[in-house]
Amino acid sequence: DIQMTQSPSSLSASVGDRVTITCRASQSVRTFLNWYQQRPGKAPKLLIYAASTLQSGVPSRFSGSGSGTDFTLTISSLQPEDFATYFCQQSYSTPHTFGQGTKLEIK
Amino acid sequence: EVQLVESGGGLVQPGGSLRLSCAASGFRLSSYWMSWVRQAPGRGLEWVANIREDGSEKKYVDSVKGRFTISRDNAKNSLFLQMNSLRVEDTAVYYCVRDEKDGPLHYWGQGTLVTVSS
Repeated sequence: DIQMTQSPSSLSASVGDRVTITCRASQSVRTFLNWYQQRPGKAPKLLIYAASTLQSGVPSRFSGSGSGTDFTLTISSLQPEDFATYFCQQSYSTPHTFGQGTKLEIK
Repeated sequence: EVQLVESGGGLVQPGGSLRLSCAASGFRLSSYWMSWVRQAPGRGLEWVANIREDGSEKKYVDSVKGRFTISRDNAKNSLFLQMNSLRVEDTAVYYCVRDEKDGPLHYWGQGTLVTVSS
């Protein structure tokens, strides 16, 4: 199975900050990498797929990059609604494993 | 509007069984792979299983192989997860999810809670 490792596990930041979350795969997943946002008590929401394609309706302050084993999710200017937990997921091979999550908290 | 509504969760003793259902609406179920994803309380997401559009191919995470069976009834717009030999560690919210091309999970249900406890 492909292991997905996110860093950091938690992050404190302020409104307006630029933040970057990284995701590393234990082997190449090409660009079959997706990012999700989850707010407490809610189902996850797809933000980015194929490593860098913004899902329709997702604000442009979110962006993704990377290929192979190393990926990043960047939020260019944090808004209050962005404080949530973020997960990466590879869909290159089953099981389609998730990272352990990055909890983004208000500083 | 795409909607996925799970049902069938509840409290079950270790070793017991449950069958989860997912009612799909707003799209043609037979055109999509479908998945189950779970989340233990306070924990991360775990992909559990998926099934091809026509049900001819099924994949599982190792921890549920031989115990869980994913199935579908496209005529009834429904997805299922039969869970046998349940363990305490299967306790989680189970989400029904529609796969998009190349695997991203766009549409999620609200989840159904399965609690395995004596």
